[in-house]
Amino acid sequence: QQPVQSPQAVILREGEDAVINCSSSKALYSVHWYRQKHGEAPVFLMILLKGGEQKGHEKISASFNEKKQQSSLYLTASQLSYSGTYFCGTDNTDKLIFGTGTRLQVFP
Amino acid sequence: DGGITQSPKYLFRKEGQNVTLSCEQNLNHDAMYWYRQDPGQGLRLIYYSQIVNDFQKGDIAEGYSVSREKKESFPLTVTSAQKNPTAFYLCASSIAGPSYEQYFGPGTRLTVT
Repeated sequence: QQPVQSPQAVILREGEDAVINCSSSKALYSVHWYRQKHGEAPVFLMILLKGGEQKGHEKISASFNEKKQQSSLYLTASQLSYSGTYFCGTDNTDKLIFGTGTRLQVFP
Repeated sequence: DGGITQSPKYLFRKEGQNVTLSCEQNLNHDAMYWYRQDPGQGLRLIYYSQIVNDFQKGDIAEGYSVSREKKESFPLTVTSAQKNPTAFYLCASSIAGPSYEQYFGPGTRLTVT
């Protein structure tokens, strides 16, 4: 039931791009993306509703393919501030279930 | 400023004791949630409440209890029945159900020895 995220970890140099994937075995109503810095609370990035929409937030965007029950988070021209653990949350209208996270580290 | 507060930030307890974690929000949100996070792990849902005086079990409710007597408050009690209570506990709220953005509190790190 827990969504599967891949990769588990990513190491980048500043300016490089990354893609984080989230896949569920259940039909989804929406997908959430959050970022958590070490020792802090998760911070909301964006929600994608079913309909295959794509959203953007600065240089971070995401897509949601409801037929494939998958979402991808795209980070372009990464900055040091992008470091953290990224979680997707999948919602089937009952509750939000979070994936195990993707740890992203950006180095100068 | 609107937000979610959790207290205390760090909590130490002896095994066999019940402990209550506080969560308060002034965002006027209907829904509130409790998550548990273990090192290197994701967030696992303990309990959630979509309205006052009503709450549902999440995926790992055993050994925990909650109450929702007021809209702004959702305390979590970690009972002695919880086998591995040491963890980081996060409270969150959203304006309505799970399809809405969740706002998280700063968390309480509980250590039981």
